Parts: sequence; C-alpha cells; structure tokens
Amino acid sequence: EVQLVQSGAEVKKPGESLRISCKGSGYSFTSYWISWVRQMPGKGLEWMGRIDPSDSYTNYSPSFQGHVTISADKSISTAYLQWSSLKASDTAMYYCAIGGERCTSCFRYWGQGTLVTVSS
Amino acid sequence: DIQMTQSPSTLSASVGDRVTITCRASQSISSWLAWYQQKPGKAPKLLIYKASSLESGVPSRFSGSGSGTEFTLTISSLQPDDFATYYCQQYNSYFLWTFGQGTKVEIK
Repeated sequence: EVQLVQSGAEVKKPGESLRISCKGSGYSFTSYWISWVRQMPGKGLEWMGRIDPSDSYTNYSPSFQGHVTISADKSISTAYLQWSSLKASDTAMYYCAIGGERCTSCFRYWGQGTLVTVSS
Repeated sequence: DIQMTQSPSTLSASVGDRVTITCRASQSISSWLAWYQQKPGKAPKLLIYKASSLESGVPSRFSGSGSGTEFTLTISSLQPDDFATYYCQQYNSYFLWTFGQGTKVEIK
C-alpha cells in the first residue's frame, strides 16, 4: 500500500526556520515526483513545487520560488519542505503528494498534511 | 501561468440531483486535467484524471468531460457522501501546475 506520512504539526515564531518531512513507503521512492501543496486556512489548493527524488531536480511555482526549498533524501525515502525565515502568512496546511501510473503529473496519493502555525 | 477558473464557487443541491461543475483554462491544456474531492480536515482525493478517466474505486456517478479550455465534472445523482469541495487541476504546463479555486457543494 502506497503511503505518504508527514511530520507533525508545528508552531513557530516569525523569523524562525522550519523543515517538515514526507516519508514514502509501499512504492519505489524514486519512481514518482513529489509535490508540495499549500492550503491556507479556509482557502483553496496551491501547487508549490516538485522534486524528482531520483536526482533531486526541482521546479517551483513562481509564487513560491525563493521562499521555500524542496529537497529529498532517497536513502530514507523522505522529501522535505523548508523555510529559512517564516512569516505569519506561511500559516497553512501543507500536503505532499505523488502521482502514479497514467497519472504522473496529477496527484493520486497524498500525505495527511502538516499544519504550520506561525505566530508571535 | 495558466489560470483555472471554476464555476460556480458554491452550489446548493439535494440528494439525487444531477450536478455539473465547470472548469475553464486560460489557454488550451488538451486533456491534461484532473478533478479532486476534498472534505473538511482531509487531504484531497483524486476522482478523474486526463479529463475523463475515472480513478479506480471512484463511484461511476462521477464523470468528467471536455478538452482544450472547457471541462466539466458531473455527478449524476448526488449522494450524501458527495457534499464536499471540488477542485480542478491542470498539468499541461511544464511543471507549472495550477488548481482552480474550488467549488463547494452544499446541502440545499
């Protein structure tokens, strides 16, 4: 069974750094790109960017380029989303997601989400 | 970026109704469109990919159609479990994927 298990909720102060994780299991970790999707409170889904776990090549939405860093460690089947300096506007639920057969660029499997709260 | 516009934003319907949600792309995306269902506090769930391919395990009352710039998601007979928010997503652009703003299906 394919599973994406994300790290737990975080409460941070503005200016702090943060890295959240997404661990894949039940499939070959390097077979599918991993994307991160943001959902701000009461709002819609926003694609942030993706990583190819086989070579760590990344692409970012222009809206998120330079604000976050996506990385992966294929030796432990884990992808990461990282901030160097959080803002209150980063408060959101963050999901990791992958595609699959016949759906490489859509999102068949999702993590359970990581809630990030940034407040002074 | 390709912009995706869904209509309506909110839809009130009754159990048994036929429901149609529209998604329009700002430029042609061929058939590279997916539909998702999201319930409160849950991750989205893939319903349809490549505009009209039903995801395994999804009830046949869900169907998708369209190509180019206009797409529809139809629920043939709305069930209590279908009250949720629905999103379209284009994946035509090279790693510039975008979602529509969502359509909330409410109980009438």
